[in-house]
Amino acid sequence: EVQLVQSGAEMKKPGESLKISCKGSGYSFSFYWIGWVRQMPGKGLEWMGIISPGDSRTRYSPSFQGQVTISADKSITTAYLQWSSLKASDTAMYYCVRAAGSSQYYFDYWGQGTPVTVSS
Amino acid sequence: AIQLTQSPSSLSASVGDRVTITCRASQGITSGLVWYQQRPGKPPKLLIYDASNLESGVPSRFSGSDSGTDFTLTISSLQPEDFATYYCQHFNSYPQITFGQGTRLEIK
Repeated sequence: EVQLVQSGAEMKKPGESLKISCKGSGYSFSFYWIGWVRQMPGKGLEWMGIISPGDSRTRYSPSFQGQVTISADKSITTAYLQWSSLKASDTAMYYCVRAAGSSQYYFDYWGQGTPVTVSS
Repeated sequence: AIQLTQSPSSLSASVGDRVTITCRASQGITSGLVWYQQRPGKPPKLLIYDASNLESGVPSRFSGSDSGTDFTLTISSLQPEDFATYYCQHFNSYPQITFGQGTRLEIK
């Protein structure tokens, strides 16, 4: 069974750093791109970026380029999303997602979400 | 970058109704359009891929179609569990990925 299991809820202060994780299981982790999607409270879905775990090729949405870093460690089948300096506006639910296949960048599996709250 | 505009933004309907949600692309696209359903407090769920292909396990009352710039999601007979928010999404080969703003389907 394919599963994406994300790390737990985070409460941080502005300016702090954060790295959240997404562990994939039940499939060949290296062969499926893993993406991240933001959902701010009461708002829609926003694609942040995506990584190919096999070779670490990464693509970012222009809206998030330079704001976050996406990485992956295929040896432990885990992808990461990190911030170096959080802002209050980063408060959101963050989902990791699996792309469905080669050059098929839609998402057939979703993690349960990691809620991030940034408040002083 | 391609923009996706969904209409309506919200919709009230009754159990048994037929509803259609439209996703309009800012330029013609030939492929790479999918639909998701998101129930409150849950992650989205894939419904339709390649504009009109039903994901495995999705009820047949859901269907999708396209006309190049306009894509539609139709629910033929609404069930109580269908009241949710629906999103379209496009991708290209780079990849660059765009979501529509969502359509909230509420019980009348």
